[in-house]
Amino acid sequence: AQTVTQSQPEMSVQEAETVTLSCTYDTSESDYYLFWYKQPPSRQMILVIRQEAYKQQNATENRFSVNFQKAAKSFSLKISDSQLGDAAMYFCAYSDPGTYKYIFGTGTRLKVLA
Amino acid sequence: KAGVTQTPRYLIKTRGQQVTLSCSPISGHRSVSWYQQTPGQGLQFLFEYFSETQRNKGNFPGRFSGRQFSNSRSEMNVSTLELGDSALYLCASSPRDRGTETQYFGPGTRLLVL
Repeated sequence: AQTVTQSQPEMSVQEAETVTLSCTYDTSESDYYLFWYKQPPSRQMILVIRQEAYKQQNATENRFSVNFQKAAKSFSLKISDSQLGDAAMYFCAYSDPGTYKYIFGTGTRLKVLA
Repeated sequence: KAGVTQTPRYLIKTRGQQVTLSCSPISGHRSVSWYQQTPGQGLQFLFEYFSETQRNKGNFPGRFSGRQFSNSRSEMNVSTLELGDSALYLCASSPRDRGTETQYFGPGTRLLVL
C-alpha cells in the first residue's frame, strides 16, 4: 500500500528567509502524481504545486519549488522569500491513476516569524 | 466558476443521531471525494464518486456512506454518530476521470458530536 510521510510536524521560518518541508512516500507504481497543498487557518485547502512522476524536471510556481528525487521517493517543498501569508498547514499528497484516491501525509505546520 | 461548496458549514449533533452533509462540485467536475480531517489522524480518505458510482472507499465503518447525483452533487451520511466522528469533513472535486487530477477543496463542514 502506498504511504506518505511528513516527518516535520512543525517548522518555523523568518520572514524573507527560505524553508524546506520534507515529504517521503512509498509506492511500487511508476506513474503517479505528487502534490503539495496549503491549508491556512480556517481557510480552504488550495493546491501549491504538483509534480508528474514521469517528468524529471522539478516543478516551480513563483516562490515555491520542489526537489523531486524519484529513486529516493522524496518530494520536498522549498519556499523562498517566506511571507506572513505562507503560514499554514502544508500537506504532501500522492495519487496514481489506478486507485482514484489521494493519500495525504499528516501535515507540517509552518510558522512565519516577523 | 464558483468553487466547491459544502453545506452546512457547522453542525452539532448528539451521539446516536445521523447526519447528512452535502457537496456541490465545481461546474463540469465529475469526480467528488470526501475526507475526514482530525488533529490526530490528519486527512483520511472516505470515498470517491464518479458519474454516480463509488469507485473507491477508505477504511471507515459502514456507518459512513455516500452517494452522487446525476448533476455530480454528492452527499455523505453518517449514521449512529459517535463522539469520535467529530471532525472537519472535506469534499473535493476534480474535472476528469483520472486519479491524477488536481483536487479542488471546499471549505468543509465542521461536525461536533456531543
